Amino acid sequence: DAGVIQSPRHEVTEMGQEVTLRCKPISGHDYLFWYRQTMMRGLELLIYFNNNVPIDDSGMPEDRFSAKMPNASFSTLKIQPSEPRDSAVYFCASSFGDVLQFFGPGTRLTVL
Amino acid sequence: DAKTTQPPSMDCAEGRAANLPCNHSTISGNEYVYWYRQIHSQGPQYIIHGLKNNETNEMASLIITEDRKSSTLILPHATLRDTAVYYCIVRASGSSNTGKLIFGQGTTLQVKP
Repeated sequence: DAGVIQSPRHEVTEMGQEVTLRCKPISGHDYLFWYRQTMMRGLELLIYFNNNVPIDDSGMPEDRFSAKMPNASFSTLKIQPSEPRDSAVYFCASSFGDVLQFFGPGTRLTVL
Repeated sequence: DAKTTQPPSMDCAEGRAANLPCNHSTISGNEYVYWYRQIHSQGPQYIIHGLKNNETNEMASLIITEDRKSSTLILPHATLRDTAVYYCIVRASGSSNTGKLIFGQGTTLQVKP
């Protein structure tokens, strides 16, 4: 069992560039979650999917952020254009049912 | 709003039991208590959860008071690898509350040699 896989693990980009974060959930899980963690705001839920359908995106900070889940084994979180305040660690998590979430190792994003 | 209150930090000697408290005085009857931890630079890891009975697994024990307004996570023999931020979360099961894990600031547990 490989667990939740995220890529890249580290991303450094310049302000204004597009950033795409990727996540492969655990096989068989039907929920997928995107979180963001910063020192100031802690761990925040951005959006989650059930059976590839977005259920709640109320945590997405603004229109620059978008997330997709084209199939059960892949999801992306895109930021366009990126800003320095988007610098954070982004976690993807998955679960079978809505109870126990398994987190990936995270992507550390730095926007210069 | 995290709905829980935890001390910001605690120390524990290696090999001793670590007892991490959590207050959740506004907990509802259908809300479970979940504990996760986050070791530095890693994603959060599920530890244990319970509704009203005490629970034990290979990682920890969860003691919930009879009135359910507080709970304690017990790591029976803390090791240096247990140094982490521990999050106490209350959440109802069921479709109307699906997915919502609200992480507060947690308790930073430092296990010392």
